[in-house]
Amino acid sequence: DTGVSQNPRHKITKRGQNVTFRCDPISEHNRLYWYRQTLGQGPEFLTYFQNEAQLEKSRLLSDRFSAERPKGSFSTLEIQRTEQGDSAMYLCASSLAGAPAQGYTFGSGTRLTVV
Amino acid sequence: ILNVEQSPQSLHVQEGDSTNFTCSFPSSNFYALHWYRWETAKSPEALFVMTLNGDEKKKGRISATLNTKEGYSYLYIKGSQPEDSATYLCASLTGGGNKLTFGTGTQLKVEL
Repeated sequence: DTGVSQNPRHKITKRGQNVTFRCDPISEHNRLYWYRQTLGQGPEFLTYFQNEAQLEKSRLLSDRFSAERPKGSFSTLEIQRTEQGDSAMYLCASSLAGAPAQGYTFGSGTRLTVV
Repeated sequence: ILNVEQSPQSLHVQEGDSTNFTCSFPSSNFYALHWYRWETAKSPEALFVMTLNGDEKKKGRISATLNTKEGYSYLYIKGSQPEDSATYLCASLTGGGNKLTFGTGTQLKVEL
């Protein structure tokens, strides 16, 4: 297993376009998280899945954001009608539920720039 | 304390200096405290996960302590090296132990 993989690494899009990011977690991990980091801030929680079930969504996640994890493996995060304020680093992480002594394993992130 | 707070925001030290950072977090409903190192263009890497009051953990030249009653953790780096240059993030496990709430990080630059 090569860790958590995120694609693409960078995305530049025009305002109003839709974008989709993909995250492939560590295969044994049943939890998957999405975070967003903007300049000068720490990563902010967006949503998390346990297997295919989306168990929590942050109030930060407006109606334009949707995340899926259809088979409990990879996940996608879609942003519709992008706005300049969506420009950020989007991080994915995975972990094993019931193993609180282990940290999260993060991907390298997708940096989104909305122009 | 309502949020996770870290200080200082940034730090420049010379190679060989020892340094430390502070993380403050809400002490109520505590589950765990995580420390991560995030180098530019790489993934955040877990350093420590701490759960018990008085916990002390060590990995090479880096160590951390935890006080859950007063809600703070310290990260120490002994004999800083240029490769220690990174952003150090702490995060408190909240929401019933289901999600991490991060601080804003301490950006460390170690100069030759």
